Amino acid sequence: QQQLQESGPGLVEPSETLSLTCIVSGASISIRGYYWGWIRQPPGKGLEWIGDIYHSGTPYYNPSLKSRVSISVEKSRNQFSLKLTSVTAADTAVYYCAKRPAGGNWFDPWGRGTLVTVSS
Amino acid sequence: SYELTQPPSVSVSPGQTASITCSGDKLGDKSACWYQQKPGQSPVLVIYEVTKRPSGIPERFSGSNSGNTATLTISGTQAMDEADYYCQAWDSTTAVFGTGTKVTVL
Repeated sequence: QQQLQESGPGLVEPSETLSLTCIVSGASISIRGYYWGWIRQPPGKGLEWIGDIYHSGTPYYNPSLKSRVSISVEKSRNQFSLKLTSVTAADTAVYYCAKRPAGGNWFDPWGRGTLVTVSS
Repeated sequence: SYELTQPPSVSVSPGQTASITCSGDKLGDKSACWYQQKPGQSPVLVIYEVTKRPSGIPERFSGSNSGNTATLTISGTQAMDEADYYCQAWDSTTAVFGTGTKVTVL
């Protein structure tokens, strides 16, 4: 059974870089035909797609975050990572990682999510 | 930027039918999907490619799409269906989520 698990600091200071990792189990991140993505949800608000990356390493980003976002794949560790620079309180959210089939538009499964708070 | 609009809330009595709409420009030309999110949990895919149900999703969940509106229908709604529901589609290379609808089973 495929599982995704987010990990990383729960507290980041303003202007710093948010770094999260998604560990994939039950599936190889190197397998053809899948994208690996990040979605976030501010407390009490809706979902926002951050971006995703193909197994070969080609990333796609939300235009509203593109200047601050980087997503990368670490095949040897079967995981992928998110970096978001110059964070502010507006970046406080639950961050989810998820899998998407190439040629498909849906995300399934999702990780449990991790709350990242931006505060000094 | 592309937007998907949902009603903030829908109320339904147990056993009745709940319909949740998702509106966006030319949405009927796109492939919409739907997620269910219960409090404190991550979203779960309930409908993909407009009408398909993933394994394990009850038959009472169905989807349709026409014109500028996609619709998620829950037939014979049960108390366990009380949750937030989000539609999602793609605008070129950008994934867009709907504003979300809270379904209350009264």
